[in-house]
Amino acid sequence: NAGVTQTPKFQVLKTGQSMTLQCAQDMNHNSMYWYRQDPGMGLRLIYYSASEGTTDKGEVPNGYNVSRLNKREFSLRLESAAPSQTSVYFCASRGLAGTGELFFGEGSRLTVL
Amino acid sequence: AQSVTQLGSHVSVSEGALVLLRCNYSSSVPPYLFWYVQYPNQGLQLLLKYTSAATLVKGINGFEAEFKKSETSFHLTKPSAHMSDAAEYFCAVSDGANDYKLSFGAGTTVTVRA
Repeated sequence: NAGVTQTPKFQVLKTGQSMTLQCAQDMNHNSMYWYRQDPGMGLRLIYYSASEGTTDKGEVPNGYNVSRLNKREFSLRLESAAPSQTSVYFCASRGLAGTGELFFGEGSRLTVL
Repeated sequence: AQSVTQLGSHVSVSEGALVLLRCNYSSSVPPYLFWYVQYPNQGLQLLLKYTSAATLVKGINGFEAEFKKSETSFHLTKPSAHMSDAAEYFCAVSDGANDYKLSFGAGTTVTVRA
C-alpha cells in the first residue's frame, strides 16, 4: 500500500521557471492538501481540495495554483518560481473532516535560485 | 479560526528522562487535536489524536497526551525518553467536525542525550 506518493522528491529551479508537483493517493480519500514546511514556521496550508471538483485557498496561496485532476490526484503548480518559494512541500490526504487524520507523502524539496 | 501554539522550539532531555512537549490551542468550537512526529527527511506520521472521547489519549511509541479544556492545552508526554525519540513534533488542531483544514504549530525539536 503506497499511501501518498509525491514527485519529484528534489528539484532545483531558476527564478521565473515553472514546474508542477504531482501527488497521488490510493486510500480513496476525499480530501487532499498541499503544505509547505519552512524552519521555525511549522506547516502552512497552501491549497486544499475537500472533495473531487473543489479547491480552496489556505494560508499562503499566492504564487501557486492547484488542480484536482480526479479523486486520486492533486497537483501543485508554480507558474513563475521565486526564491521565497524555496521550501519542502508536502502533499497529504484525509478520509474524514474533523476527526480524520492526515496521511502525508515523503515531501518534495524545492530550491529556487 | 483555530490555531495552536507550541511552547519551546527545542527540548533536550537525557535518555530515560521525562519528555514533556507543550501545546495550547484556540478554537471557537470543541476542537479535535493531533500530535504528529517527523523524523529527518521524512513526512509526518500520527502519534495520537483527541476526538472528544477520553481526555487522556495514548498513542504509539509510549506517548500520551491529556486534553484539558480549562487550560486549552494538549501537552504530550513520555515517561522515559529513548534515543529513537529524537525528532520534530507538531501539534495540530481541527476546528470541529466539519472542518477540512488542519492547522499546525511551529514544531518542537527533541534531542536525546545519552
